[in-house]
Amino acid sequence: QKEVEQNSGPLSVPEGAIASLNCTYSDRGSQSFFWYRQYSGKSPELIMSIYSNGDKEDGRFTAQLNKASQYVSLLIRDSQPSDSATYLCAVNQDAGGTSYGKLTFGQGTILTVHP
Amino acid sequence: SAVISQKPSRDICQRGTSLTIQCQVDSQVTMMFWYRQQPGQSLTLIATANQGSEATYESGFVIDKFPISRPNLTFSTLTVSNMSPEDSSIYLCSVVTGELFFGEGSRLTVL
Repeated sequence: QKEVEQNSGPLSVPEGAIASLNCTYSDRGSQSFFWYRQYSGKSPELIMSIYSNGDKEDGRFTAQLNKASQYVSLLIRDSQPSDSATYLCAVNQDAGGTSYGKLTFGQGTILTVHP
Repeated sequence: SAVISQKPSRDICQRGTSLTIQCQVDSQVTMMFWYRQQPGQSLTLIATANQGSEATYESGFVIDKFPISRPNLTFSTLTVSNMSPEDSSIYLCSVVTGELFFGEGSRLTVL
């Protein structure tokens, strides 16, 4: 059974700080990794995808992938109260495939950014 | 990304009844995916719906409980049959346009 593990939190950081969210996965063959943000009562929205080892930056968000350690993380710089949400790590079930529809999700980390 | 519309957005249902959720996409897509999010839990894939063929179900989900239709490339339905309180969840339709995007979800409460 493929598994994706996250700390459920809650993770609380002050406004302006860096929030660090972590995720590990069990299937060494996994190739595609995603971070979704989910506000309470809303559906998940994609914020980052990463496919290669190393860092990928998009605005205040940086995704980091280390396939050897089976570890993926998300850094949020200059955290804002509006970043308060649940962050879901997801891994493509179709290892090596090109369809990103079949994802295994972690349980999510609740992030709270306080003023 | 695609615009994905789901109906109903929420409903309260009685035990033993069935409810059909509709999903409409604003562009043609080969595959549509149905996920479930139980209260306080993460998302679990129920099935993949392909146009012109039977849906493919994940382990733990069966066609009798969750029949799916896919009559064309922009529309799909998921039926939750013979509901029990354990079926109280958010059901999410999703499609891949580059990456996976979700509809707004259908929140079902079974009494």
